[in-house]
Amino acid sequence: RKEVEQDPGPFNVPEGATVAFNCTYSNSASQSFFWYRQDCRKEPKLLMSVYSSGNEDGRFTAQLNRASQYISLLIRDSKLSDSATYLCAVNRDDKIIFGKGTRLHILP
Amino acid sequence: EADIYQTPRYLVIGTGKKITLECSQTMGHDKMYWYQQDPGMELHLIHYSYGVNSTEKGDLSSESTVSRIRTEHFPLTLESARPSHTSQYLCASLGPPDYEQYFGPGTRLTVT
Repeated sequence: RKEVEQDPGPFNVPEGATVAFNCTYSNSASQSFFWYRQDCRKEPKLLMSVYSSGNEDGRFTAQLNRASQYISLLIRDSKLSDSATYLCAVNRDDKIIFGKGTRLHILP
Repeated sequence: EADIYQTPRYLVIGTGKKITLECSQTMGHDKMYWYQQDPGMELHLIHYSYGVNSTEKGDLSSESTVSRIRTEHFPLTLESARPSHTSQYLCASLGPPDYEQYFGPGTRLTVT
């Protein structure tokens, strides 16, 4: 079993819709959690850290559930420019482990 | 915006050549990482370092080697390049104040 698992998608979503991704992690010793966005043939860019209390940045909301060992990302009012691959990552003793990523296509 | 740099950005080289991919960061981060990623595929951690003179192998076996003589510099070397080494190599660093990991722009390597 992979340490970080994500549904690879693709998610094909009409513009303006709300889309949610989940990610599960297997090691309960994981200390911090992140969502990254990666565009085709580019480096991953940090989207947001994920805190137990949940955090929001504009149209993006991230949640952490330590008991069930999953993190989530919600994108509201999706834009064409949100089309990308979204990577979940966990920090275990400063070793950052990534999921395979979930591909999102926003349809006009 | 992260201050982490990689050179070259693109490299096409023949089989058997020795190559060094450069990575440097100006944030004073102790922790640095190398990932390998094929197009459309997942990121694989191949090397990491927690500080000067510290290097560890990652989860994916790699024929490359790394060194960490200075905090800001974490070069990756392939002694004899092969076509199977064709990939994108991404460097990253992590440290205070926010302990978030930032990536360089990557080196796209093609071995012919």
